[in-house]
Amino acid sequence: NAGVTQTPKFRILKIGQSMTLQCTQDMNHNYMYWYRQDPGMGLKLIYYSVGAGITDKGEVPNGYNVSRSTTEDFPLRLELAAPSQTSVYFCASSYPRGLETQYFGPGTRLLVL
Amino acid sequence: GENVEQHPSTLSVQEGDSAVIKCTYSDSASNYFPWYKQELGKGPQLIIDIRSNVGEKKDQRIAVTLNKTAKHFSLHITETQPEDSAVYFCAASKVGEAGGTSYGKLTFGQGTILTVHP
Repeated sequence: NAGVTQTPKFRILKIGQSMTLQCTQDMNHNYMYWYRQDPGMGLKLIYYSVGAGITDKGEVPNGYNVSRSTTEDFPLRLELAAPSQTSVYFCASSYPRGLETQYFGPGTRLLVL
Repeated sequence: GENVEQHPSTLSVQEGDSAVIKCTYSDSASNYFPWYKQELGKGPQLIIDIRSNVGEKKDQRIAVTLNKTAKHFSLHITETQPEDSAVYFCAASKVGEAGGTSYGKLTFGQGTILTVHP
């Protein structure tokens, strides 16, 4: 199993541009999550999904959108990028109950200039 | 919502010493407390976790203790090695039947940069 994979690894965006961060897991996990990690800070939840077609907001959802059309994929969309969205983005997945370990991808480093 | 405070923010020890990182949480309904290790340029990786029905858990050189009354939990690393150098995060969540609709969402502490000097 590849686990959780994320693309791209690094991206530079200009203010106002849009992009999609890709996340794929091959562990057949129902739950998937997007976090952002700012320097010197812990991870903050942006959006999460409990299954295909079901998504909900986390702690810091403003400026982002998500979709979950399949169990495997959970893309994060940035519309109108702003400097405040400069961060490292992590995708994670887990089973719904009894096996709550969240498995994280390697992250996408985003710089908005 | 849940709030998790983690201390210290940086910790420097000599190889072979012990290291202790402490976290406090605010939501008494939280019942799952994982610890993650993040190496440079990588995603966090679970190293140990504890549930609220257990007071202590050990895995080789790593142990975690939980005090539900005081709402704090700690990570203990004994006989530290240079490869233990990393950022460590604590987290809290409500899972299982007691968690209701929490869906395993994690609230993280701010992280501790551990440096083990040879």
